[in-house]
Amino acid sequence: DGGITQSPKYLFRKEGQNVTLSCEQNLNHDAMYWYRQDPGQGLRLIYYSQIVNDFQKGDIAEGYSVSREKKESFPLTVTSAQKNPTAFYLCASSTTGGESPLHFGNGTRLTVT
Amino acid sequence: GENVEQHPSTLSVQEGDSAVIKCTYSDSASNYFPWYKQELGKRPQLIIDIRSNVGEKKDQRIAVTLNKTAKHFSLHITETQPEDSAVYFCAGSNYQLIWGAGTKLIIKP
Repeated sequence: DGGITQSPKYLFRKEGQNVTLSCEQNLNHDAMYWYRQDPGQGLRLIYYSQIVNDFQKGDIAEGYSVSREKKESFPLTVTSAQKNPTAFYLCASSTTGGESPLHFGNGTRLTVT
Repeated sequence: GENVEQHPSTLSVQEGDSAVIKCTYSDSASNYFPWYKQELGKRPQLIIDIRSNVGEKKDQRIAVTLNKTAKHFSLHITETQPEDSAVYFCAGSNYQLIWGAGTKLIIKP
């Protein structure tokens, strides 16, 4: 949808398990981002990548990991070290850095019990 | 560090009236200010943005104003309709986006 595909839409995991969220874009955008959104809250940046094989921590990177092996893909792994992983996760991309519009995926709602 | 404050957190207006949401930013080097609309359970979508060399921008019922001296910018929605009900986020950017906390806009019939 809109050139960014996140899968799956809903994900359920048991506590202690790592889980990987998929994000693929066909917009030929250089920059990609992962945000976390909790109910009634704003967007918090987890990780971002401006170019292939390079990424930086955002404000809440602890307990998460990413990779950027291909321009179109930016998967997010939620590790067992993340204390409160249940949330709505949004992937986004943009042509360049923070001064161009973000295109968001439809999000993945992760529930860990 | 950089900060963007957004007010109010909730705004309830009568259908047909205008709605105004305000944001202030701390980084004087910020030069890009987008607004996103997020309907319940859906992804945020850009509705309008403004750059620092412009003081005002309009798109049909939506307008954004920017006051660089005072470091604040506002979203104006005129003739509000039920489909305007959503959460609106402002952001400011000097290379990296800093987000406001969001405003829940409720349009009363």
